[in-house]
Amino acid sequence: DAGITQSPRHKVTETGTPVTLRCHQTENHRYMYWYRQDPGHGLRLIHYSYGVKDTDKGEVSDGYSVSRSKTEDFLLTLESATSSQTSVYFCAIRGSSGGVSTDTQYFGPGTRLTVL
Amino acid sequence: GQQLNQSPQSMFIQEGEDVSMNCTSSSIFNTWLWYKQDPGEGPVLLIALYKAGELTSNGRLTAQFGITRKDSFLNISASIPSDVGIYFCAGQSLGAGGTSYGKLTFGQGTILTVHP
Repeated sequence: DAGITQSPRHKVTETGTPVTLRCHQTENHRYMYWYRQDPGHGLRLIHYSYGVKDTDKGEVSDGYSVSRSKTEDFLLTLESATSSQTSVYFCAIRGSSGGVSTDTQYFGPGTRLTVL
Repeated sequence: GQQLNQSPQSMFIQEGEDVSMNCTSSSIFNTWLWYKQDPGEGPVLLIALYKAGELTSNGRLTAQFGITRKDSFLNISASIPSDVGIYFCAGQSLGAGGTSYGKLTFGQGTILTVHP
């Protein structure tokens, strides 16, 4: 258990509304990631963070923004949700061993978002 | 961007049979990871590979890091019903300056069904 929680776990919203998803970790990991999962595409990186206030874009960042004001929380915001953003969203942290980051990632339980 | 081709897309096997799946890439990776995802949950790490040619086992699972660094293989021996799920490969390459921030590229997934 990597100590990752996501909220909400399910959300239904309407096109054009803002939506914020939260990822919370309890183990002080430096690196955090947001992915979306769609059939036939596997998981695709949206944004990632390598420290407080340090974030960068991933492969599919258009329409999304992120913020990390403290180590334990990484927020993903859809400023104006569209139907193409209906997906399952996963947060992940980069593993560590003996205080050193490793190349493994551990995932949260996911948030299922439906945009009508 | 980088792409991983994972095959097969789906497999239907009888309990007790062995399973093989693989991922190939047009570019080199320095780390290969294999994950399993159960319905409604996040991916769970099965095996991590860090060195070309490396062969690593985890119970009935065996994975190999291809010698060209462009492919990886996962084998499951003597399958059981709880092996059902989606299996993902993921690769990490070093970016400019030798750093990657841990970003992963995922394959599309292999859906495994095991008939008792």
